[in-house]
Amino acid sequence: AQSVTQPDIHITVSEGASLELRCNYSYGATPYLFWYVQSPGQGLQLLLKYFSGDTLVQGIKGFEAEFKRSQSSFNLRKPSVHWSDAAEYFCAVGAVGGGNKLTFGTGTQLKVEL
Amino acid sequence: EAGVAQSPRYKIIEKRQSVAFWCNPISGHATLYWYQQILGQGPKLLIQFQNNGVVDDSQLPKDRFSAERLKGVDSTLKIQPAKLEDSAVYLCASSLQQLNTEAFFGQGTRLTVV
Repeated sequence: AQSVTQPDIHITVSEGASLELRCNYSYGATPYLFWYVQSPGQGLQLLLKYFSGDTLVQGIKGFEAEFKRSQSSFNLRKPSVHWSDAAEYFCAVGAVGGGNKLTFGTGTQLKVEL
Repeated sequence: EAGVAQSPRYKIIEKRQSVAFWCNPISGHATLYWYQQILGQGPKLLIQFQNNGVVDDSQLPKDRFSAERLKGVDSTLKIQPAKLEDSAVYLCASSLQQLNTEAFFGQGTRLTVV
């Protein structure tokens, strides 16, 4: 069975600082990987996805993530955080051939200090 | 393009009562998902439809939860009778097809069972 671990429950960064949110997955084959963001009272918005090909994936809002098969990781990065980036971030894994069924991590709450 | 529509946004019921949630996916999206997101956790898939057929309902508590998508478009999720532990946000999502496409999420319905 697939699983996702987001080891950091809360992260606080200063505006303008760089950000890295960690995500480790467990899956027996090449997974589909996603990062979603959720603002309070809102649904999930897709930031970026990895299906195949280039392991460095660019997303919206200046985010990027790198798929590292050897480490079973898909960490999310942003070089300079804006106050509006404060939200909860979810990493998810989808099974190839699994009908897009997503397994989510428990999320990382990002707080941005001005 | 209109997004995934869900109603109601909020619902408060007493335990043992019944409740229903409605979802209208993005036009043309064949695949529809219902996720349950308990506070502090990532979303968990309850059921997945492909058109009007069920693809995966392995995590749906079938003794009290039911869902249907009779005409392959909008869908309802019902809980009867509700328990305190059903308090959560219920997210509906849709995707164009099952594989290699992203899921778009609605804003969710926040259910509180008292």
